[in-house]
Amino acid sequence: DVKVTQSSRYLVKRTGEKVFLECVQDMDHENMFWYRQDPGLGLRLIYFSYDVKMKEKGDIPEGYSVSREKKERFSLILESASTNQTSMYLCASSFPGPTEGGTQYFGPGTRLTVL
Amino acid sequence: RKEVEQDPGPFNVPEGATVAFNCTYSNSASQSFFWYRQDCRKEPKLLMSVYSSGNEDGRFTAQLNRASQYISLLIRDSKLSDSATYLCVCGDDKIIFGKGTRLHILP
Repeated sequence: DVKVTQSSRYLVKRTGEKVFLECVQDMDHENMFWYRQDPGLGLRLIYFSYDVKMKEKGDIPEGYSVSREKKERFSLILESASTNQTSMYLCASSFPGPTEGGTQYFGPGTRLTVL
Repeated sequence: RKEVEQDPGPFNVPEGATVAFNCTYSNSASQSFFWYRQDCRKEPKLLMSVYSSGNEDGRFTAQLNRASQYISLLIRDSKLSDSATYLCVCGDDKIIFGKGTRLHILP
């Protein structure tokens, strides 16, 4: 059974803090994704990675960076958290390809609040 | 035109009824299509893939209409546990999620 885990379910940070969100998958998936989900806006892709040390910007990369040093781990970094980054953050993984890439397995999400 | 569009709902449907919703996509090169289900405060989970010939999984039927560029999801004999948000997904090299359709099954 595929498992994607995220380091925290709930996180509260202050404006200006550096925030690390970690995601680990156990299915040897090449692709990993970071999304944020906000009411009325749906899932928005922040960054994705299709291989170790590879990363690609998604639709809303501003204010975020990522790191993928190992295949199973994909980290999202908020260099200086701001209140507009308060959101639900979802990590996902998949195999590559148009069909397999659409079969994404999501972690439980991290609800981040920036005060 | 948005890449993937869904009626946000909510659809309020009595238990036992049949409900259907569509999702339109703008990229005619899209090759793969899926429906995901997301329960309140939970992560999205794959419900079913959508094949060109259409496919059925129990009470759920998914269909693809390439000419009109939409996919559909039909739920028969709806259960209270079907209450959720249903996300459609379309893509080729890039996978795009719709914003979801909320479904409430009423007792």
